[in-house]
Amino acid sequence: SQQGEEDPQALSIQEGENATMNCSYKTSINNLQWYRQNSGRGLVHLILIRSNEREKHSGRLRVTLDTSKKSSSLLITASRAADTASYFCATVVTQGAQKLVFGQGTRLTINP
Amino acid sequence: DAGITQSPRHKVTETGTPVTLRCHQTENHRYMYWYRQDPGHGLRLIHYSYGVKDTDKGEVSDGYSVSRSKTEDFLLTLESATSSQTSVYFCAISPSGVPTDTQYFGPGTRLTVL
Repeated sequence: SQQGEEDPQALSIQEGENATMNCSYKTSINNLQWYRQNSGRGLVHLILIRSNEREKHSGRLRVTLDTSKKSSSLLITASRAADTASYFCATVVTQGAQKLVFGQGTRLTINP
Repeated sequence: DAGITQSPRHKVTETGTPVTLRCHQTENHRYMYWYRQDPGHGLRLIHYSYGVKDTDKGEVSDGYSVSRSKTEDFLLTLESATSSQTSVYFCAISPSGVPTDTQYFGPGTRLTVL
């Protein structure tokens, strides 16, 4: 199975509500990253959180990391229709060289 | 798209034909990557490059080859396309020089193999 797995696979909420997505991973990490992908576009980097950090903010985004539980969460506050997208977490695996591995994503729909 | 272009953006081809996808960057970053994205599988690494003529395999490299003769261009070739290679292909770069730090993605190439 994937190194990073997002939960839920799909989330639909009303505009203005908060959206929370979770990512679980299996092996030790040095960082965890969140990306957003709008329909038909490439991935866009949102936040990188390092293993010695517990929380990080960027605008309406808040990322937490719990290395003891091997999990991270992405919170989007006061959601907007423009936040409709797929959100992916990415973690590092060592297969020879170190590489980023992406989860399958959470599909977020913000209803007006 | 962080100075990354991909060409073509869309391509339809037939089984058994060769196909080459091009990724071009304008910043001379060392690390470049090719991923494919399929429903139910997320994003999977095909090949990556850590310099001119320095490449290595990723998770799903069978049926693909790559070349990097110039820093700015990273080519992905399907020697004999199969229907299982129908996918959206993304190129990415790692500007920090650390391959496991932030990556920036191109707009993607949608490939259909009939």
